Amino acid sequence: KAGVTQTPRYLIKTRGQQVTLSCSPISGHRSVSWYQQTPGQGLQFLFEYFSETQRNKGNFPGRFSGRQFSNSRSEMNVSTLELGDSALYLCASSLAGDGKNIQYFGAGTRLSVL
Amino acid sequence: AQKITQTQPGMFVQEKEAVTLDCTYDTSDPSYGLFWYKQPSSGEMIFLIYQGSYDQQNATEGRYSLNFQKARKSANLVISASQLGDSAMYFCAMRLNRDDKIIFGKGTRLHILP
Repeated sequence: KAGVTQTPRYLIKTRGQQVTLSCSPISGHRSVSWYQQTPGQGLQFLFEYFSETQRNKGNFPGRFSGRQFSNSRSEMNVSTLELGDSALYLCASSLAGDGKNIQYFGAGTRLSVL
Repeated sequence: AQKITQTQPGMFVQEKEAVTLDCTYDTSDPSYGLFWYKQPSSGEMIFLIYQGSYDQQNATEGRYSLNFQKARKSANLVISASQLGDSAMYFCAMRLNRDDKIIFGKGTRLHILP
């Protein structure tokens, strides 16, 4: 079974631009969560999607948004990029509804904002 | 508020020795899950082990075991017979079953010495 796939692996953008990151979950997983990881703040939860609906949301500004498609693939968008958005963005999928909700992560997208 | 604390920012351990990574958590919810993840320098978060709050036995997965002490609210990860490939960042995480939100600790960087 293929794991969680995130594309692209690396991105370089400039301030003010926008970016879209993609995540394909493990087959059969309906829940997709996004995290931002930085050396200073650690791993912070962005949002979770389940069956195309945002189920949970972290404390990030509205510039960060996401969506999930009917095939459970998810995209995350960041508009008006700031230098502080430079981070590793991790996507995780889970089966959900099994009582454990173990999240399996992708390799991440490393975003650098110049 | 829910919280995960990992008090060891870094650890150095000789190869083949056992190592214990500390994790304490804080919640008043009775139903939750505890997780450990490994993050090598490549960035991908690798799921290691899960413990449910109602599980009577400590979880084990190969060389990994979770020392779950509910009254003390601790969930320490024990790695037996450490290997050089165990060098990585290790994160403890908790999920509350009522809302499925997951929070992570700041992590412990483990160095295995040859």
